[in-house]
Amino acid sequence: GQNIDQPTEMTATEGAIVQINCTYQTSGFNGLFWYQQHAGEAPTFLSYNVLDGLEEKGRFSSFLSRSKGYSYLLLKELQMKDSASYLCAVKGRDDKIIFGKGTRLHILP
Amino acid sequence: KAGVTQTPRYLIKTRGQQVTLSCSPISGHRSVSWYQQTPGQGLQFLFEYFSETQRNKGNFPGRFSGRQFSNSRSEMNVSTLELGDSALYLCASSLAAVEANYGYTFGSGTRLTVV
Repeated sequence: GQNIDQPTEMTATEGAIVQINCTYQTSGFNGLFWYQQHAGEAPTFLSYNVLDGLEEKGRFSSFLSRSKGYSYLLLKELQMKDSASYLCAVKGRDDKIIFGKGTRLHILP
Repeated sequence: KAGVTQTPRYLIKTRGQQVTLSCSPISGHRSVSWYQQTPGQGLQFLFEYFSETQRNKGNFPGRFSGRQFSNSRSEMNVSTLELGDSALYLCASSLAAVEANYGYTFGSGTRLTVV
């Protein structure tokens, strides 16, 4: 079967760093995505990893370990506008992109 | 460059009715995928179309169907609506079925309420 796990909710403080973990078990692997979704809005693409290692993009970084079926999204210098849900998604061998249920991130001032 | 356009934005239907939702992808994008989003289940994959052909299908009953036209616009249809079909239906387009490294661009969704 296919399974993507991520924490339901996390809380962090403005200016701090937070790491959102994602573990997956899928039929094959052709890449992992992170999306951000603000309440009432559509998800927006943040990052894509297909090889092991860290991809950095401004305040956001995403890490992948294919052997461990594990990824994380690292958000630095947190801002209030980062309060949102963060969705981990995996593209399987059949090219289906399956999403986790998302992690709701609350930022405290 | 126009984004992904979904119509209508909101819809209220009665149990047993059917509904058709529309999605116009970004110009030049040939892949359109549909997802159902509910608070309890998150985003669940419905189906993906590429060049008018269904490439992938999720685990939804046959009441859910879709199609894609030659201009890449896509429609999804739900027949014999049930209360549990109330959800946000999101359409996502991408440049090509395999170039997912660019990620999807999602539309704003259609909020369907079944009463």
